[in-house]
Amino acid sequence: GNSVTQMEGPVTLSEEAFLTINCTYTATGYPSLFWYVQYPGEGLQLLLKATKADDKGSNKGFEATYRKETTSFHLEKGSVQVSDSAVYFCALSSFQGAQKLVFGQGTRLTINP
Amino acid sequence: GAVVSQHPSRVICKSGTSVKIECRSLDFQATTMFWYRQFPKKSLMLMATSNEGSKATYEQGVEKDKFLINHASLTLSTLTVTSAHPEDSSFYICSARAIGRYTDTQYFGPGTRLTVL
Repeated sequence: GNSVTQMEGPVTLSEEAFLTINCTYTATGYPSLFWYVQYPGEGLQLLLKATKADDKGSNKGFEATYRKETTSFHLEKGSVQVSDSAVYFCALSSFQGAQKLVFGQGTRLTINP
Repeated sequence: GAVVSQHPSRVICKSGTSVKIECRSLDFQATTMFWYRQFPKKSLMLMATSNEGSKATYEQGVEKDKFLINHASLTLSTLTVTSAHPEDSSFYICSARAIGRYTDTQYFGPGTRLTVL
C-alpha cells in the first residue's frame, strides 16, 4: 500500500540555519505530494505541494522538489526563523487532488534564537 | 484562507457513553470531509471519508458502528464515538475538501482531544 516515511525528530536548529527534512514515499501510479505544517494549538495547514515529477513546490521560503527517481520530496529552507517552529508532515494522495491523504509520522522542528 | 472549526476542542467522558464531535467549514462548502485519528507521536490515520448526503466510506479496520459519521449539510459533518472505551482516547481531526477552478485542497480543523475514563 501507499506509505510515507519522514526523518525522525525532533529537530533543533539555531536561527538562520539551513533546514532539510527528509521524506520518501511508496505509492503506485503518480501521486501528488504535500507538506503540511502544524503550529502549536492550530490545525494542519498546507505549506506546499507538487503534483507531478520534477515539480517544485514553494511557500514562505520553503521548497520541495518531487523526485520520482528517488521517490522523495525533501523539505528545505535556507534560513529558518524562530517562527518556523512547528510539526511538519509529509503526505501523499494517490488520487488526483486532495483526496485520501496518507501522512508521514511528522517531524517536530524547534528553532532557537 | 478557508477555516474549519471543530467542537469541542476537549472532551472527557465515562466509559460506555457516546460522544459527538462536530466539524464545520466556516466560509466554504465542502461536499467531502475527512476524519482522522492521531495517536501520540504518531501520524494521522484516515478513518473515513464523509460525503454530503450519502453514507461515509470507512477505511479498513475502522468500525463503522462504533464511529458514526453524518454529513447532513455542505458545512457540517459529525463524528459520534458510541459506547466509548479508554482505548478510544485519542486526538480526532477533521478536514474539509475545498475545490475551486484551480485549487483542490484539504483544510484541517484544530482537532478534538477525547479522553475516556
